[in-house]
Amino acid sequence: EIVLTQSPGTLSLSPGERATLSCRASQSVSSSYLAWYQQKPGQAPRLLIYGASSRATGVPDRFSGSGSGTDFTLTISRLEPEDFAVYYCQQYGSSPWTFGQGTKVEIK
Amino acid sequence: QVQLVQSGAEVKKPGASVRVSCKASGYTLTSYYMHWVRQAPGQGLEWMGLINPSGGSTNYAQKLQGRVTMTRDTSSSTVYMELSSLRSEDTAVYYCARGHSGYYSEFDYWGQGTLVTVSS
Repeated sequence: EIVLTQSPGTLSLSPGERATLSCRASQSVSSSYLAWYQQKPGQAPRLLIYGASSRATGVPDRFSGSGSGTDFTLTISRLEPEDFAVYYCQQYGSSPWTFGQGTKVEIK
Repeated sequence: QVQLVQSGAEVKKPGASVRVSCKASGYTLTSYYMHWVRQAPGQGLEWMGLINPSGGSTNYAQKLQGRVTMTRDTSSSTVYMELSSLRSEDTAVYYCARGHSGYYSEFDYWGQGTLVTVSS
């Protein structure tokens, strides 16, 4: 099983600032099958990024993903008020599918 | 538009079973794998397993093997997740989620979630 470790656990930033979230895998993620999801309280997760760097339909271009192998990054270039949420990475290159523990982006 | 609509909240006693449904619309159920993910209160996301609605084949998370069963009814475009021998640790919101493309895939559409509470 691939274990995903996200850091930091909490990121305290102000609107307009840049957010950089990290996801490290315990072994190489096959074919960069790495996704990022956003979850707001009381809502289902929303797909943001798949294939490590492809934006899902309707996702603003301030969200970008990068990385390969075992190290991946989600960057939000300029935080908007609606971006404050919890973000999860997920690997889907091997079974079982696994998620990181999440990074909470909160308003400073 | 693609929609996954799940059944309502459940309260169960320890040792009982629960079945959660997920009705798909806006696409052909048999063309995409369906996954189940759960989230305990205040916790992260846990993958439970998947079903291929076309043939009914399944792949379950090892820790749930023997307690979870995923089925489908193609005539009503609905998939089901049944969890037996419930314990307090199974209290969670349960989500169905569609695989975007093929077997190894991210999840592009999610149901609204079903809260299952296990309490004596």
